[in-house]
Amino acid sequence: EPEVTQTPSHQVTQMGQEVILRCVPISNHLYFYWYRQILGQKVEFLVSFYNNEISEKSEIFDDQFSVERPDGSNFTLKIRSTKLEDSAMYFCASSIRDRGLSWQFFGPGTRLTVL
Amino acid sequence: DAKTTQPNSMESNEEEPVHLPCNHSTISGTDYIHWYRQLPSQGPEYVIHGLTSNVNNRMASLAIAEDRKSSTLILHRATLRDAAVYYCILKMTQGGSEKLVFGKGTKLTVNP
Repeated sequence: EPEVTQTPSHQVTQMGQEVILRCVPISNHLYFYWYRQILGQKVEFLVSFYNNEISEKSEIFDDQFSVERPDGSNFTLKIRSTKLEDSAMYFCASSIRDRGLSWQFFGPGTRLTVL
Repeated sequence: DAKTTQPNSMESNEEEPVHLPCNHSTISGTDYIHWYRQLPSQGPEYVIHGLTSNVNNRMASLAIAEDRKSSTLILHRATLRDAAVYYCILKMTQGGSEKLVFGKGTKLTVNP
């Protein structure tokens, strides 16, 4: 069964450093997403991406964040200058649309620890 | 997205049926009812969705009230692997936002 993969599984970084989280969505999917979950809290939407551009973003997704689909298979989330409060699990998801309806497939997540 | 209300936690015994309720009294005619679950230390996982009619798939059944103001996710025989947080999410069809808005969900504990 096809699945979304994410690398690395765990990333440790120093505050102020740039990190890139990588995702390989399911191959025929057209919509891509990033969510995050701070330990013990709800899963929060960050951004959705379709047709090579951001289709929606949350208030969390400020100028420090960017997304890219550099080569038609990978989907990346970059955090330019990490803060302590960026420590969280980051989940990538992908979906297709079938007659106006979609459901998302999530990856296993990347645990980001900012020291 | 319309709001849903779920119990914070529920408990079940292994191999017994589990009924997870969700209230969505402000649901609109174009909202689909989606259920996702999140197993410990994993990403959310799609379970099932429906609009008006009851739905079955290999994972679960979804029973939707006639007025659509509530729904119930049914796990016919709970296993230890079903211990997870279950999320009931309303999502519009065409023209709506693609994002999923997760609440706190219901934490299901399955006792051996």
